Amino acid sequence: GENVEQHPSTLSVQEGDSAVIKCTYSDSASNYFPWYKQELGKGPQLIIDIRSNVGEKKDQRIAVTLNKTAKHFSLHITETQPEDSAVYFCAASIFRDDKIIFGKGTRLHILP
Amino acid sequence: NAGVTQTPKFRVLKTGQSMTLLCAQDMNHEYMYWYRQDPGMGLRLIHYSVGEGTTAKGEVPDGYNVSRLKKQNFLLGLESAAPSQTSVYFCASRFQGGNQPQHFGDGTRLSIL
Repeated sequence: GENVEQHPSTLSVQEGDSAVIKCTYSDSASNYFPWYKQELGKGPQLIIDIRSNVGEKKDQRIAVTLNKTAKHFSLHITETQPEDSAVYFCAASIFRDDKIIFGKGTRLHILP
Repeated sequence: NAGVTQTPKFRVLKTGQSMTLLCAQDMNHEYMYWYRQDPGMGLRLIHYSVGEGTTAKGEVPDGYNVSRLKKQNFLLGLESAAPSQTSVYFCASRFQGGNQPQHFGDGTRLSIL
């Protein structure tokens, strides 16, 4: 079955700098890759997603890139702000599969 | 539009007690899921449902049962709670069809003493 590896598990960056979180997946049939942000005491919230027919997607300070050949995808946050501090999860799923596989998460700390 | 609502938010149980966690969604989603989240383990799927009256096992189903009698509700039951079931439980829902995002509730924090 599908397996999603996420790195790093913890990341600290200075406010204003960029943060990058990387994920790899094992099943080449995977074609949907969402990213979730989880704030303290809350449930995960979708922040951006990408489908396998697209190589990059941007939404303001957030971007996701996908390399299908290498089977990895990354989340990029530019101009980081204190409110970006949270746990981020990547995930992968196969079209028509009922389930989605999550990475183990990255705790992002934005340092003042 | 409340989205996904989980009840209760916190609960403490003694070993061997039973309880039911309730998940309700008002988005008319067909699919619903129960996950548990433990430190360093990410989100692990317990059970899920692709429609009213249907349920299926996920990655870690042992010790849990579920029911989906109504489309908007998905119940997670612990028949005889064990300390290993101490966790934060999240419910999620989504529309049917491929490549649909899941929408999560804010979790139930459960401690088993």
